Amino acid sequence: GAVVSQHPSWVICKSGTSVKIECRSLDFQATTMFWYRQFPKQSLMLMATSNEGSKATYEQGVEKDKFLINHASLTLSTLTVTSAHPEDSSFYICSARDWDTQYFGPGTRLTVL
Amino acid sequence: AQTVTQSQPEMSVQEAETVTLSCTYDTSENNYYLFWYKQPPSRQMILVIRQEAYKQQNATENRFSVNFQKAAKSFSLKISDSQLGDTAMYFCAFMRGLAGNQFYFGTGTSLTVIP
Repeated sequence: GAVVSQHPSWVICKSGTSVKIECRSLDFQATTMFWYRQFPKQSLMLMATSNEGSKATYEQGVEKDKFLINHASLTLSTLTVTSAHPEDSSFYICSARDWDTQYFGPGTRLTVL
Repeated sequence: AQTVTQSQPEMSVQEAETVTLSCTYDTSENNYYLFWYKQPPSRQMILVIRQEAYKQQNATENRFSVNFQKAAKSFSLKISDSQLGDTAMYFCAFMRGLAGNQFYFGTGTSLTVIP
């Protein structure tokens, strides 16, 4: 079946630093990947849609300059949280679309001190 | 805009029993897909079952089956012979079938299987 990996699985950083999260589709090519944020006991909140070779589409209220997305190949999308602050602490999940289904990575827990 | 509603925030079921999770959605589209995802404590989202709107036959995957009522815009998940490993959050999701790639998720149902 379709597998999506995400790295790192957890990261702790100091306020003001930047953190990069990678999302890879391991056994299929994904022209479209998605980045979500999830708060405890809540549903997934779509942050942006990442399209290979073009600019990402951000959801309303998501700061483009803070959450930089790069989808440089058909198997890799990255999310960089720039100048991270404690309020950015959360669980970030990526997914990749394989035809008509989305497959999810295992998530990254980000803690900003 | 598409909306997905899960009206049961929490449910519980005895091991080996059957439980049904509800999901309704609102759309003006005719071509779309519906999904149930499971999120156990590990927080890995796992695809449970999917249904194409153009198919009248309800999808089935082993102990998991759906009751898809297109006219009523209802998409419930039935779990038979519940197992302890079924304890998880369950999310219903909607995706438009053509140009739209976005998923619309419900708020989730927390299911606990009681031994």
